[in-house]
Amino acid sequence: NAGVTQTPKFRVLKTGQSMTLLCAQDMNHEYMYWYRQDPGMGLRLIHYSVGEGTTAKGEVPDGYNVSRLKKQNFLLGLESAAPSQTSVYFCASRPFGGPSYNEQFFGPGTRLTVL
Amino acid sequence: QQQVKQSPQSLIVQKGGIPIINCAYENTAFDYFPWYQQFPGKGPALLIAIRPDVSEKKEGRFTISFNKSAKQFSLHIMDSQPGDSATYFCAASRRASGSRLTFGEGTQLTVNP
Repeated sequence: NAGVTQTPKFRVLKTGQSMTLLCAQDMNHEYMYWYRQDPGMGLRLIHYSVGEGTTAKGEVPDGYNVSRLKKQNFLLGLESAAPSQTSVYFCASRPFGGPSYNEQFFGPGTRLTVL
Repeated sequence: QQQVKQSPQSLIVQKGGIPIINCAYENTAFDYFPWYQQFPGKGPALLIAIRPDVSEKKEGRFTISFNKSAKQFSLHIMDSQPGDSATYFCAASRRASGSRLTFGEGTQLTVNP
């Protein structure tokens, strides 16, 4: 049981390049989330999904797109990277119900630098 | 617009001390208040959580105090240890919004031996 995994762990991009971050969970969770973490700003929600085939905007969605084609995977895309997107990105998932329905389980993060 | 404000930004205590981290929220519809703990290079992990129908919750050395009228809640760590050195985030959510978490800014805690 790997929990939530993220690929890649580190990435350096040049301004204007594109990339996709992959999040995978093996806990059969319905909900998945993408956050960015910046110093002094906590974690801010980018996009989230309440189930396979659904996505919704969070607090800071501009410049990002997401897809949830399979229940276990949640992809975050940057179409044209900007230096302001330099951050640490975390994926999280949680179940729809059960005793832990409010607990979000986080991946180890992806450190992205945009030059 | 920061709906959950956390203080202090950083905190240094000696082993055995009782660090206290405070959070204040604006949205009275929030109905779930967790604290997450994050070690360097790792993702956050749930530490303890409380609902607004109780004023205090204790799990081991960690206690949440909740003041609904003041819209504030705090984390107390009893008999702190160097292994408690981490970044702590408070958060809040409401079930009606799909339990999306709004996080505070984070507090970097250092417990010196």
